[in-house]
Amino acid sequence: NAGVMQNPRHLVRRRGQEARLRCSPMKGHSHVYWYRQLPEEGLKFMVYLQKENIIDESGMPKERFSAEFPKEGPSILRIQQVVRGDSAAYFCASSRRDRGLYEQYFGPGTRLTVT
Amino acid sequence: DAKTTQPTSMDCAEGRAANLPCNHSTISGNEYVYWYRQIHSQGPQYIIHGLKNNETNEMASLIITEDRKSSTLILPHATLRDTAVYYCIVRALNSGNTPLVFGKGTRLSVIA
Repeated sequence: NAGVMQNPRHLVRRRGQEARLRCSPMKGHSHVYWYRQLPEEGLKFMVYLQKENIIDESGMPKERFSAEFPKEGPSILRIQQVVRGDSAAYFCASSRRDRGLYEQYFGPGTRLTVT
Repeated sequence: DAKTTQPTSMDCAEGRAANLPCNHSTISGNEYVYWYRQIHSQGPQYIIHGLKNNETNEMASLIITEDRKSSTLILPHATLRDTAVYYCIVRALNSGNTPLVFGKGTRLSVIA
């Protein structure tokens, strides 16, 4: 069973460029979450998606950031016009579709460096 | 979700049991206690969860006090690879697949 997959693992962008981070959930999981971890800080929730729907984006900055989880393919976190403050580790997690509480499984993360 | 309080850091000798406490004095009857850990530079890893009974799996044991206001995660024979930040998180059953709220956690250092 493959776990949550994220790519790229490391991404370097110059200020003003776009960053695209991809996340493939575990097999059978249709809920995806994105979290951000700034250097020396804790994990902060950004956005929660199901297939073709954004359920909760309360943690995502209003500008430059967007996320999608299409019917086919991975979830994408897109950051436009990156700034140095966007440098962080971005983690994706997935969980099952059923009701109730299910543990979230995390991917290895994408480390974004903005130069 | 209820707030949790954990010590900032702890040390444990390799091979000994690591006991990580967590206070959640405002926990409600429908809230579970979850534990995750994050080894340096890796994604968080689910460890265990429980409601009111003690739980055990291949990774750890979770002891929840009778009044449910605190709990202890036990790693029975800590190894150097258990060095990580451990997060205690309380989540309500009816919150569905809601996001996790991570606090500062406890930084466990396992020492040879």
